[in-house]
Amino acid sequence: AQKVTQAQTEISVVEKEDVTLDCVYETRDTTYYLFWYKQPPSGELVFLIRRNSFDEQNEISGRYSWNFQKSTSSFNFTITASQVVDSAVYFCALPPDFSGGYNKLIFGAGTRLAVHP
Amino acid sequence: DVKVTQSSRYLVKRTGEKVFLECVQDMDHENMFWYRQDPGLGLRLIYFSYDVKMKEKGDIPEGYSVSREKKERFSLILESASTNQTSMYLCASSRTTGLEQYFGPGTRLTVT
Repeated sequence: AQKVTQAQTEISVVEKEDVTLDCVYETRDTTYYLFWYKQPPSGELVFLIRRNSFDEQNEISGRYSWNFQKSTSSFNFTITASQVVDSAVYFCALPPDFSGGYNKLIFGAGTRLAVHP
Repeated sequence: DVKVTQSSRYLVKRTGEKVFLECVQDMDHENMFWYRQDPGLGLRLIYFSYDVKMKEKGDIPEGYSVSREKKERFSLILESASTNQTSMYLCASSRTTGLEQYFGPGTRLTVT
């Protein structure tokens, strides 16, 4: 069955520090997508990125970068030069496998990031 | 940009009331979802719909029903609200199976 593990419950950093959020997943599928979401204090879940399991190139978007390693089943997210506005709960997610029955996302428990001035 | 809107950000209802939560998406997505999010329990799927008038139960459908009469609108109905339905309700939509879901701002429902 699909499973997403975010072992870091909470991380606290000072502004401008780099921070990496870990995500380890389990899947029986040979091809799959992985996602990261951000949930700021307002509550809305904001989609950040989709990664196809075929593509192991690192992705960079501004201060955000993602490191996908299929060999270790990890999809880690790094924020460079963190800012207070990055304070949020971050979720890693993947779809159910083909036997999953329906199209829900399997979310990790989330990592709460607090960036202090 | 995909936009998913929900009818209310905050709602307070009394036990036994019938509650309607509305969700609208503007991207012609096939799939729509209702989740609830509770501390320590994460996001749990209540219902999803893969087409107009089509629905399937999620993990926790008891006490809820849904309606999808138009492609862009997906309603969650609490037939008789109870205090254990106090929660954050999140609506989402996706273009097709397996792709990312886009979420609305959420409705924080309190049942007293």
